[in-house]
Parts: sequence; C-alpha cells; structure tokens
Amino acid sequence: AAGVIQSPRHLIKEKRETATLKCYPIPRHDTVYWYQQGPGQDPQFLISFYEKMQSDKGSIPDRFSAQQFSDYHSELNMSSLELGDSALYFCASSVIGEMNTEAFFGQGTRLTVV
Amino acid sequence: DQQVKQNSPSLSVQEGRISILNCDYTNSMFDYFLWYKKYPAEGPTFLISISSIKDKNEDGRFTVFLNKSAKHLSLHIVPSQPGDSAVYFCAAISTGTASKLTFGTGTRLQVTL
Repeated sequence: AAGVIQSPRHLIKEKRETATLKCYPIPRHDTVYWYQQGPGQDPQFLISFYEKMQSDKGSIPDRFSAQQFSDYHSELNMSSLELGDSALYFCASSVIGEMNTEAFFGQGTRLTVV
Repeated sequence: DQQVKQNSPSLSVQEGRISILNCDYTNSMFDYFLWYKKYPAEGPTFLISISSIKDKNEDGRFTVFLNKSAKHLSLHIVPSQPGDSAVYFCAAISTGTASKLTFGTGTRLQVTL
C-alpha cells in the first residue's frame, strides 16, 4: 500500500542556507502535518494543511514556511538555517471518518546544519 | 499545557503477557484517538484508532479502550512479543479544528524474554 513519502531522506546544509523538504501524502488523505523532532525530544508540531489550506500553526519559526499544492503534496521551506534546526522532520497525512480514521507518518527527513 | 498525558514513562512486560499502556486527556473536544509505535530515528507507525462514540476497538493483538467519562484510554497488547518493544504514543484529534495531532509524551515498552 502507498505510504507517506518524504524527500530527501537526508540533507546536509550550511548555516544561513535554505532547505526545502517535500512530502507526498497518502492518496485520499485530506490533512497534512509537519513535525520537527530534535535529538532526544518528542515530535513538535509545526504546521498543518487541510484541503490545501493552512489549518493550524504550531511552534514554527518565522524563517520557515510551508504550503500544500494542487496535487496535495506539501513543501516545508526553511531559510537562514541555524545549527539548532538540525533535526528529523516528519510529515504525516490523515483522513478522518466514522468508518476509517488513520494518520500515517513518513520516514522523515534528517536535516543536518553544519 | 499537556492536553494528552501518558503518566508512565516506561513499562516492562514479560513475553506472552498483556501490555497495558494508558493515556489521559483533558480536552473534551477530542473525538478521535490514535496509538502509534515508534522506533528511534523512524517515523511513528500507526497502530489503531478509536472514535469517541465507541468504547472499544480491536485489531489483531491490539485493543484500544476508551472511557470518555474518565477521559482515559488504554492500549492492550496481547500477547506481548519482543518486537513490540518501542515507544508508544497516544494522540488525539479534534475534528472541530481537524488540524493537528496532539501527542502524549510516550511510554517506553520493553518486552522481556
């Protein structure tokens, strides 16, 4: 079965550079979420989209932005990268319904800022 | 403000026995709950979900119980297997906002031989 696809799996950037992370949700899922997980920490919610519209915003820095495109894939853009941005970035997609509620996560993108 | 809480940071269970993981929540607007299993440096793996209109959902070795009046849910794993050793998160969604999975803090389960 198709899963949530994230690319790239690994990314190394220098300080002050820009990074773009991509997420391809499961077909028919209507909500996409982005999470950041630092070393030894729980996932922190960044932002979510419902039917291509931003629906909620968490602890996302102003240097970060995200959008969901017409084909439902989402991109997280991170500018002026800092060492502290090094983390695992997870994308999840979900569908909610009386008969079927599920949310699946991608394998994550490991971003290392040097 | 932790709206979803898992008060036991760790749990050790013998292989073949039942593992019971607990989760409490404070937001009465949550109407769907999900359980995830997570290994280090991997994405959470969806296990099972339950709607707030139900009190039980079962899928193979996994059963989730919901006590809405107590704002409490639990995940039962029977029988426990060594491969179940991982961190388990419960998560909740409010369809009023339909916008974010709110996670608990996780419980590390170790299944011993």
